[in-house]
Parts: sequence; C-alpha cells; structure tokens
Amino acid sequence: QKEVEQDPGPLSVPEGAIVSLNCTYSNSAFQYFMWYRQYSRKGPELLMYTYSSGNKEDGRFTAQVDKSSKYISLFIRDSQPSDSATYLCAMSETGTASKLTFGTGTRLQVTL
Amino acid sequence: DGGITQSPKYLFRKEGQNVTLSCEQNLNHDAMYWYRQDPGQGLRLIYYSQIVNDFQKGDIAEGYSVSREKKESFPLTVTSAQKNPTAFYLCASKPSDRLGYEQYFGPGTRLTVT
Repeated sequence: QKEVEQDPGPLSVPEGAIVSLNCTYSNSAFQYFMWYRQYSRKGPELLMYTYSSGNKEDGRFTAQVDKSSKYISLFIRDSQPSDSATYLCAMSETGTASKLTFGTGTRLQVTL
Repeated sequence: DGGITQSPKYLFRKEGQNVTLSCEQNLNHDAMYWYRQDPGQGLRLIYYSQIVNDFQKGDIAEGYSVSREKKESFPLTVTSAQKNPTAFYLCASKPSDRLGYEQYFGPGTRLTVT
C-alpha cells in the first residue's frame, strides 16, 4: 500500500462546477500538507499549504485537512477551463529535512 | 526575475552515456532537491541538499550522482548505471529547512534515452 493514495482520474466537470480533489494517507506522522497544480509538461506550482488539521482558503481554493481520518481535500469553486491540470497532494513529517511524499496526481478537465 | 531554471527542456541520449542535467536558482534558497516523475507514479526523490558541499540520497538514488559546490547550483548526473533513465526530471528548492516545508519547482527536463 502506498503512503499517499490519490485517484488518478481523469475528472471531467463543466465550467462553474465545484471540484473536490482528495488524498488519503497512512503515515500519522505527516504534519504538513500541500497541494500543487501541474500543467502538462511543466513543473508543479504550489497552490496551498496547511499545517496539521483545519481549513485554509485562498480565493476560489479551499484546502481541508482531517488528521483523524488521514484525509485531505482541495475544493475549487467556480471552476474555469484554466484550472484544467493535474493536481498533486504532498505531505511531510517534521524534522525530515523537508522530504515530501507525493500522491500520484489527479487529472482535472474543466469543459466549456 | 527570481526563479529556478532547468536546462535543457528536452534531452536525448544514447544508452550507455552519462548525462548531466542543470538546475540553477537565484532565490537564495538553502535546500535543493531532485525528483523524477513517471506516469502513474508521482514524484520520487532522487537526491537532496540542505547546504553547500553536503547532500543526501533520496528514495531512488541508484544510478544518479549530484554535486553542490555553489548555493545556486545543484546539477544531476544520470549515469549509465541507471537502468531506466527515461523520465521527466524536476528540480526544487526551499528557503530554509527551518522555515516550513513547501518546495518550489523548476520547469523540468524531459530525458529520453534510446
């Protein structure tokens, strides 16, 4: 079993829809949680960053962490065609030289 | 413009040849990382360096080597010992090991070995 599980998709939604992207993990020592967006043939771009449990909002994006369930989510409101990309979750323990463990990524397609 | 640059964007090599991928950053970041990305496998850590003249193996270091002679530069050599070198290689950096855990990525180099 992988340490971080992420549905690869593809996930196809109409423009304007609310998108929910999720990751589950098995390592209870993970404390820092990140979401990256990666366009085709480009490097990942950091979208959201949260520490421990709770919610964090930034514009149309909301990140949620539920450590009791070992489950993290990224919500995208009013999705746009420009949101079409692969979304990677990543997480890290404390004191591990910032080594990140990544999910495999979910490919999102927002259609007109 | 501050950022991380990787060159070249595409690289082709014959099997049995060593090849070096460049990674440069002008962000004054202390830590730098190399990952490879394969379809369906996510990013896997090859090597990382927290400070100049020091680096550690990641999860898949076999067949790779690195150096960190300058803070701005962290080149990766893919040697002929790497059994499956064709992949998308990503370099990342982070301001300081004590200030959060998020990493910032370069645009990547796609290496094809035939």
